[in-house]
Amino acid sequence: AQSVTQLGSHVSVSEGALVLLRCNYSSSVPPYLFWYVQYPNQGLQLLLKYTTGATLVKGINGFEAEFKKSETSFHLTKPSAHMSDAAEYFCAVSGSSNFGNEKLTFGTGTRLTIIP
Amino acid sequence: ETGVTQTPRHLVMGMTNKKSLKCEQHLGHNAMYWYKQSAKKPLELMFVYNFKEQTENNSVPSRFSPECPNSSHLFLHLHTLQPEDSALYLCASSPTGGLLARSYEQYFGPGTRLTVT
Repeated sequence: AQSVTQLGSHVSVSEGALVLLRCNYSSSVPPYLFWYVQYPNQGLQLLLKYTTGATLVKGINGFEAEFKKSETSFHLTKPSAHMSDAAEYFCAVSGSSNFGNEKLTFGTGTRLTIIP
Repeated sequence: ETGVTQTPRHLVMGMTNKKSLKCEQHLGHNAMYWYKQSAKKPLELMFVYNFKEQTENNSVPSRFSPECPNSSHLFLHLHTLQPEDSALYLCASSPTGGLLARSYEQYFGPGTRLTVT
């Protein structure tokens, strides 16, 4: 079974400051991990994903995340926040399926607010 | 159109109505999904289709009835809904099958905002 915990349902940072959104997971199989972003009135859009290989993953819009197996974490960071980063962010872990399709388990989301 | 589209974007219906949500993907994927997104709750997977066959029903009440006539189209038929069914309903698609299946990301539509009165 898989689960995802996102610490902090709301995070506020000043424009230009570091963004850090936390995600911890549990998985019965080697985890594949994803971060999605949802802007108001839109669906979810993939920011980045970790499957295998390099543990530091770079995504779109200047975001990156590091897979730390020992800490079961996959925190999302961005060095300098921009007003356009205001959105809701979801961490997800891929489970196993008998039918060859990916079954994602999502966290409850973190709403990021950027302070001008 | 590209990506995943959903219609209508907003729907208000009474508890005795019957309505349908439509999803269409132009990505050539063979897996399609329905999710329910309610405030302050994790995204809930409702149904999964692979190559038009339903492969997952996540204990969804029978007042929600999915239909997948082909790999590009997915419907969610609604009848006698309850106010607690008000939510954003998201459709997604992905490639499927093979050893890389777990690495595939899902592509989401913009959702249908459903209000049950």
